[in-house]
Amino acid sequence: DTVLTQSPATLSLSPGERATLSCRASQSVSSYLAWYQQKPGQAPRLLIYDASNRATGIAARFSGSGSGTDFTLTISSLEPEDFAVYYCQQRDNWPFTFGPGTKVDIK
Amino acid sequence: EVQLVQSGAEVKKPGESLKISCKASGYSFTNFWIAWVRQMPGKGLEWMGIISPVDSDTRYNPSFQGQVTISADKSISTAYLHWSSLKASDTAMYYCARSPSMIRGVFDYWGQGTLVTVSS
Repeated sequence: DTVLTQSPATLSLSPGERATLSCRASQSVSSYLAWYQQKPGQAPRLLIYDASNRATGIAARFSGSGSGTDFTLTISSLEPEDFAVYYCQQRDNWPFTFGPGTKVDIK
Repeated sequence: EVQLVQSGAEVKKPGESLKISCKASGYSFTNFWIAWVRQMPGKGLEWMGIISPVDSDTRYNPSFQGQVTISADKSISTAYLHWSSLKASDTAMYYCARSPSMIRGVFDYWGQGTLVTVSS
């Protein structure tokens, strides 16, 4: 299986700050990496797919980059509603796999 | 409006069977795959499997192969996740999610989740 490692596990930031989340794959996933946001008690929400494509309705402050094994999700200026858990997920290799998540919490 | 509406929470005993559902609306059911994702209490997301409703082509995560059965009924735009014999370790939230055929494996819409509790 393709193992996804996310860092850091927890990111403590203040509203308005920039968040940089990392996802590393154990083997190349080309550009087939997505990012999801999950808030407590809610289903995940697709933010970014295929490394850098924002999903429908996602704010421009969310951006993704990377290819191969190293990927980054950037939130340019944190809004109060952005404090949540973020998961990366690859679809290049069967089975599809998710990373363990990065929790972005309020400093 | 795209919606995936899942069946309600279940409380079952070990060894019992269970089928939960995911009813789709607001789009052409047969043009998208449906995946199932498990989230154990306080844990992350695990992809279980995916089905194409048009022909029932199904792929399983080997970790779940033989433990669950994924099916779909295109006549009523509904996908299912079935256990023949539940274990306590099946206690989790289960989500269905839609996946566009052209970008299979991207989950763009999610159901609200079905909480399954297995306890004696």
